[in-house]
Amino acid sequence: NAGVMQNPRHLVRRRGQEARLRCSPMKGHSHVYWYRQLPEEGLKFMVYLQKENIIDESGMPKERFSAEFPKEGPSILRIQQVVRGDSAAYFCASSSYRVQNTEAFFGQGTRLTVV
Amino acid sequence: GQQLNQSPQSMFIQEGEDVSMNCTSSSIFNTWLWYKQDPGEGPVLLIALYKAGELTSNGRLTAQFGITRKDSFLNISASIPSDVGIYFCAGPNSNNNDMRFGAGTRLTVKP
Repeated sequence: NAGVMQNPRHLVRRRGQEARLRCSPMKGHSHVYWYRQLPEEGLKFMVYLQKENIIDESGMPKERFSAEFPKEGPSILRIQQVVRGDSAAYFCASSSYRVQNTEAFFGQGTRLTVV
Repeated sequence: GQQLNQSPQSMFIQEGEDVSMNCTSSSIFNTWLWYKQDPGEGPVLLIALYKAGELTSNGRLTAQFGITRKDSFLNISASIPSDVGIYFCAGPNSNNNDMRFGAGTRLTVKP
């Protein structure tokens, strides 16, 4: 399967712990986007990355959240000191070019539950 | 920022019926994308539209890019139970760094 791969599919963390969400883009895609989805809502943009660069993080909370897309390996979304309000589905998408010129394809998401 | 308004919010239809949903924006979009999301899954791209006035089909699905570039519609003909899900419209943000999504249309198909 050459699609966007996210893991884990489900993640349970206690308040105060760290959550690390991984995303491997489709082969040949160098643009990665992270979105958050609350129950019964649409997808909200968090951050856009290219290899080794954060291009736009305007949708990401300033504190506790960070993202990276290293030269080798998957993109990582890290949430430190999680709180109950962080519980949501986090989706990663990838594209071969910037989204104004092409489609983006989504992974199956990581469902984070903070207890 | 650019807002995408989808209507209706939800639909309950009988199997075999046709479905129509739309998406409007106060801003011009250069691309319109329609996604479907099944419960517990990620959005799956259904149709991509790149030109004003473009009409594109994918099986029983047909979507059009409005002439004004501020709207798009999606039609599903002869609905079947597996059409159940949430349908999202999306388009590039004005800075072209990400996609903006509508709130979705939730479709229920009764057998």
